[in-house]
Amino acid sequence: DQQVKQNSPSLSVQEGRISILNCDYTNSMFDYFLWYKKYPAEGPTFLISISSIKDKNEDGRFTVFLNKSAKHLSLHIVPSQPGDSAVYFCAASGAGSYQLTFGKGTKLSVIP
Amino acid sequence: EAGVAQSPRYKIIEKRQSVAFWCNPISGHATLYWYQQILGQGPKLLIQFQNNGVVDDSQLPKDRFSAERLKGVDSTLKIQPAKLEDSAVYLCASSLRGGPNSPLHFGNGTRLTVT
Repeated sequence: DQQVKQNSPSLSVQEGRISILNCDYTNSMFDYFLWYKKYPAEGPTFLISISSIKDKNEDGRFTVFLNKSAKHLSLHIVPSQPGDSAVYFCAASGAGSYQLTFGKGTKLSVIP
Repeated sequence: EAGVAQSPRYKIIEKRQSVAFWCNPISGHATLYWYQQILGQGPKLLIQFQNNGVVDDSQLPKDRFSAERLKGVDSTLKIQPAKLEDSAVYLCASSLRGGPNSPLHFGNGTRLTVT
């Protein structure tokens, strides 16, 4: 049973445009959400996070939106750059546990 | 600061053999994690240490996997005997504290192939 779902395995975006990566979750006890970026042959690196008490968090070109009623979050990258090409993982924690549950990832390709 | 160090980077073994992975976390990080990432999946937590004590090992297949964290610093993960389905990337991560506001820092992983 997948509690964190990233339904798009891949996404291609033109350089300079907006990239929108989506994530859905089923466990209503999740209260903290994170995005990690992963380049080939490297470990994931932390990108941005959001607590369930907020609905938006911004860091430079990266913004995460949380819709608790829909159990949905999204990562917006504006403007997209070729160096953003990577696999993006959505992760969630909560219910008194700090264990992170990861989605399967979305491979973003930013085309120059 | 130096990142999380893992070795070896790659390992190929036959089924029923044993294998060990090593991890050195970021200095001062109290919490250490081992994750298994099967191709096409997200990382799955195997075990979490807080200093040298186990916090969560509920998803560790204890009949074949074992892990220890020596003196609350380095850690080793062992598989004995290995099965074909253990082929995966094994990621070590550390964080300053164990809470949600303390992001994980991952090493580059060990890619294990069991033939």
